[in-house]
Amino acid sequence: GENVEQHPSTLSVQEGDSAVIKCTYSDSASNYFPWYKQELGKGPQLIIDIRSNVGEKKDQRIAVTLNKTAKHFSLHITETQPEDSAVYFCAATANFGNEKLTFGTGTRLTIIP
Amino acid sequence: EPEVTQTPSHQVTQMGQEVILRCVPISNHLYFYWYRQILGQKVEFLVSFYNNEISEKSEIFDDQFSVERPDGSNFTLKIRSTKLEDSAMYFCASSKGVNTGELFFGEGSRLTVL
Repeated sequence: GENVEQHPSTLSVQEGDSAVIKCTYSDSASNYFPWYKQELGKGPQLIIDIRSNVGEKKDQRIAVTLNKTAKHFSLHITETQPEDSAVYFCAATANFGNEKLTFGTGTRLTIIP
Repeated sequence: EPEVTQTPSHQVTQMGQEVILRCVPISNHLYFYWYRQILGQKVEFLVSFYNNEISEKSEIFDDQFSVERPDGSNFTLKIRSTKLEDSAMYFCASSKGVNTGELFFGEGSRLTVL
């Protein structure tokens, strides 16, 4: 089955700086890669996703890149703000539309004011 | 904005007891899921449900677990005889259907088995 590795497990950045979180996956059939943000006491919330037919996607301060050959994908947050502090999970699935997601282990991002 | 709601938010139970976790998915969604997250660990898929039947389940989802959509709005997860290792946060999620991608998660039900 799919295995998703995520690094780093914790990340602290100064407000206004950029943050990068990286994930690798094992199943070459995976075709959908969402990123979720989980705030304390809440469920994961989708912030951005990418399909395997695209190399990069951007939404305001958030971008995701995908390298299918190397089987890795990354989340980039620019101009970080205190409200970006949360746990971020990457995920992958080969079953787009069924959403049996395999999650990474999470990155606790702390923005230092 | 429509959301997935879950009850209870926290349940404490004795080992061996039956537990039912309840979820109300978003009303026009067709696919329903249960995931769980043991404290400090990754979110893990348990089961997906579509058209009143299980479409896929993980190794975790053994005979002690069952899901049901008893009416047009609720989606439940039953654990027949709880074990200590069932202690976790259980998340319900729903999605519109094929080729939509986005899962909407509820806020979770924390289960503590003593």
